[in-house]
Amino acid sequence: QVQLQESGPGLVKPSQTLSLTCTVSGGSISSGNYYWSWIRQHPGKGLEWIGYIYYRGSTYYNPSLKSRVTISVDTSKNQFSLKLSSVTAADTAVYYCARVARGFDPWGQGTLVTVSS
Amino acid sequence: QSVLTQPPSVSGAPGQRVTISCTGSSSNIGARFDVHWYQQLPGTAPKLLIYSNTNRPSGVPDRFSGSKSGTSASLAITGLQAEDEADYYCQSYDSSLSGVVFGGGTNLTVL
Repeated sequence: QVQLQESGPGLVKPSQTLSLTCTVSGGSISSGNYYWSWIRQHPGKGLEWIGYIYYRGSTYYNPSLKSRVTISVDTSKNQFSLKLSSVTAADTAVYYCARVARGFDPWGQGTLVTVSS
Repeated sequence: QSVLTQPPSVSGAPGQRVTISCTGSSSNIGARFDVHWYQQLPGTAPKLLIYSNTNRPSGVPDRFSGSKSGTSASLAITGLQAEDEADYYCQSYDSSLSGVVFGGGTNLTVL
């Protein structure tokens, strides 16, 4: 059974770059049948899609975040990563990684990232 | 404001049936993109509840069902149970925005 786990700093300073990694276990990120995605949820709010990546590297981003987002994949480590540059307090959220097929499934448990000086 | 519109809240008594609507447009649901539904229990990550409009993943009770018509979709929950109290989100794809879109979420209260 595939499981995903987010990791990374819980606190990032304004104007810096937020960096998170999602480790996939129980299955290969290179299986070829799935995309791998990042989604976030602002405190007390709804879900916002950030983007997704195929194991060969093709990426698709939310147009509203595209200028600041980079998603990459490391097949040797069975991981994919998120970088969000020039963060502000508005980027404070719980960040989830998820596998994409017909819907997002499964999801990681999520990690809270706070942007504050 | 979300591209997909859901009621902020719905409620029902145990054993009753409730429905949650998800209204889109011709660039998402109406363009025949699939609708997926998620359940988010308090303090946990969302969980896929219905995929591709009407399908239940393994392990999801048949009390949950999905439908789609035109530019809208619906999630129905029958035989309401206290454990169904959660936030529910619909999700699709929007060709005008070139990306995945979510509804704003619906909070279900079991009275």
